[in-house]
Amino acid sequence: DSGVTQTPKHLITATGQRVTLRCSPRSGDLSVYWYQQSLDQGLQFLIHYYNGEERAKGNILERFSAQQFPDLHSELNLSSLELGDSALYFCASSVDRNGNTIYFGEGSWLTVV
Amino acid sequence: QQQVKQSPQSLIVQKGGISIINCAYENTAFDYFPWYQQFPGKGPALLIAIRPDVSEKKEGRFTISFNKSAKQFSLHIMDSQPGDSATYFCAASTFSGSARQLTFGSGTQLTVLP
Repeated sequence: DSGVTQTPKHLITATGQRVTLRCSPRSGDLSVYWYQQSLDQGLQFLIHYYNGEERAKGNILERFSAQQFPDLHSELNLSSLELGDSALYFCASSVDRNGNTIYFGEGSWLTVV
Repeated sequence: QQQVKQSPQSLIVQKGGISIINCAYENTAFDYFPWYQQFPGKGPALLIAIRPDVSEKKEGRFTISFNKSAKQFSLHIMDSQPGDSATYFCAASTFSGSARQLTFGSGTQLTVLP
């Protein structure tokens, strides 16, 4: 158990809908990262927050947004969902923004039908 | 330039054999090279990592070999066991902007036959 908690574990929703994925980092970790894992794209970095502030953006679509709250948990919001958004979404955390060692949660499986 | 290329995509090895997974990169700013292991239904977990100032790092049956001039690094799993069957990701890290960023390879699905 990495100490990173993600909910929900599985989610099925229809195209055009909006979902929110939640992440609680390891105790004491200030950085939260979101990754998307799909069969054809591998592990793609989406976004990084450090202590409530956005630090880096990767291949995140405009339909997606994230935030990190004062209690350091984070949410990834996915809207206007398309079939191609079906993937495993991972949250990871590290103690600081240098993030050499990041710890992944078990992921949230999103299926868009 | 941020890409990390990983091969092979899948690998089947007999129990007791050596598993070798290779990665290559272009960006010379990368300064930290971890390997992650992922079991089905789980998130990736850090397995072993190396910095470019050393050519080899060994932890138990797992060894990273690093060739800075060729911009290549590889994971060797000695005496491979069925319990090693998992997906392995190489990664490379650099400080970009105000934070460190990890770029992952595409993954190698390793199957160790009993």
